[in-house]
Amino acid sequence: GENVEQHPSTLSVQEGDSAVIKCTYSDSASNYFPWYKQELGKRPQLIIDIRSNVGEKKDQRIAVTLNKTAKHFSLHITETQPEDSAVYFCAAKTGGGNKLTFGTGTQLKVEL
Amino acid sequence: DARVTQTPRHKVTEMGQEVTMRCQPILGHNTVFWYRQTMMQGLELLAYFRNRAPLDDSGMPKDRFSAEMPDATLATLKIQPSEPRDSAVYFCASANFNTGELFFGEGSRLTVL
Repeated sequence: GENVEQHPSTLSVQEGDSAVIKCTYSDSASNYFPWYKQELGKRPQLIIDIRSNVGEKKDQRIAVTLNKTAKHFSLHITETQPEDSAVYFCAAKTGGGNKLTFGTGTQLKVEL
Repeated sequence: DARVTQTPRHKVTEMGQEVTMRCQPILGHNTVFWYRQTMMQGLELLAYFRNRAPLDDSGMPKDRFSAEMPDATLATLKIQPSEPRDSAVYFCASANFNTGELFFGEGSRLTVL
């Protein structure tokens, strides 16, 4: 089955700096890669996703890049703000079903 | 604003008791998932259904856990008997098979004493 590894497990940045979280996946058939943000005590919510036919996608301050050859994808947050502090999960979906395999999460802390 | 609804939000029980968690997926979503979240294991997939049929429950301890979808508006996850190691937050999520985006419920926080 699919295996998703995520790094780093914790990340601390200064407000206004950029943050990058990286994930690798094992199944070359995976074709959908979402990122979820989970605030403390809340449910995970989708913030951005990318499909395997696209190399990069951007939505305001967040962007995701995908390298299919290397089987890795990354989340980039620019001009970080305190409200970006949360746990971020990457995930990968193998075609043929909706089953998502999640990474282990990254605790992002944006310090003032 | 369509949402996945889970009950109960919090449950404290004693070891050996039966626990039932319920989930109402978003209307029109044909795929339903149960995830368990702990600090150590992150988000683990326990089971998922498509069009009410179980597709994968390989992540679920079969001896004590069971998951069902009696109808399209209700999914249940039962633990019998419960054990302290089952303490976690259990999330239900639903998706439209064609779009793939998962919508999570607020979760059921279970504490087994």
